[in-house]
Amino acid sequence: DTGVSQDPRHKITKRGQNVTFRCDPISEHNRLYWYRQTLGQGPEFLTYFQNEAQLEKSRLLSDRFSAERPKGSFSTLEIQRTEQGDSAMYLCASSSGRGETQYFGPGTRLLVL
Amino acid sequence: GNSVTQMEGPVTLSEEAFLTINCTYTATGYPSLFWYVQYPGEGLQLLLKATKADDKGSNKGFEATYRKETTSFHLEKGSVQVSDSAVYFCALSEPPFYGGSQGNLIFGKGTKLSVKP
Repeated sequence: DTGVSQDPRHKITKRGQNVTFRCDPISEHNRLYWYRQTLGQGPEFLTYFQNEAQLEKSRLLSDRFSAERPKGSFSTLEIQRTEQGDSAMYLCASSSGRGETQYFGPGTRLLVL
Repeated sequence: GNSVTQMEGPVTLSEEAFLTINCTYTATGYPSLFWYVQYPGEGLQLLLKATKADDKGSNKGFEATYRKETTSFHLEKGSVQVSDSAVYFCALSEPPFYGGSQGNLIFGKGTKLSVKP
């Protein structure tokens, strides 16, 4: 069990560019969650997957945000046309089922200039 | 809607002092309650949890009791160490038997704890 990993750990981009983050969950965890954490706040839920199905996406912050989990293993979160307000830490978590403990990755820190 | 409120920090204590971080929640139904900890430069780690009223979660000398009557889940430790310096987050998750539960966590804003030697 190597834990949840995220890549990259840091990303600096210019406003208007697209960025994509990757999350590799703990193997055999069928649930995968994305959260956003801004400075001085707790994580805020964005979306989640059960296997490859995205079961909730209404909390994604705008239509510039999208997420995939094509084979039910790793997931990607994409932000199109980034804005300065997108600067935050993006966290991924996985669990073995609904109601089970969520294990978090180290996060990807995004800075939009 | 569901929410978590925790005491604002920062909290600064001397080593071996007693720690309390208050957490109250608002939720429909009977959520599970959690404390997560974020050490400097590291990801969120589950510290302890409780899934029903009167349950006590404990780990690494920390304790919290699920109090349904006061909708609280206060974190306590009898004697803090410098290594406990971190940000502590209280969170809730709707239980799975309430239809449509996503299992996502709702977090408080976090409380930064600094322990001085």
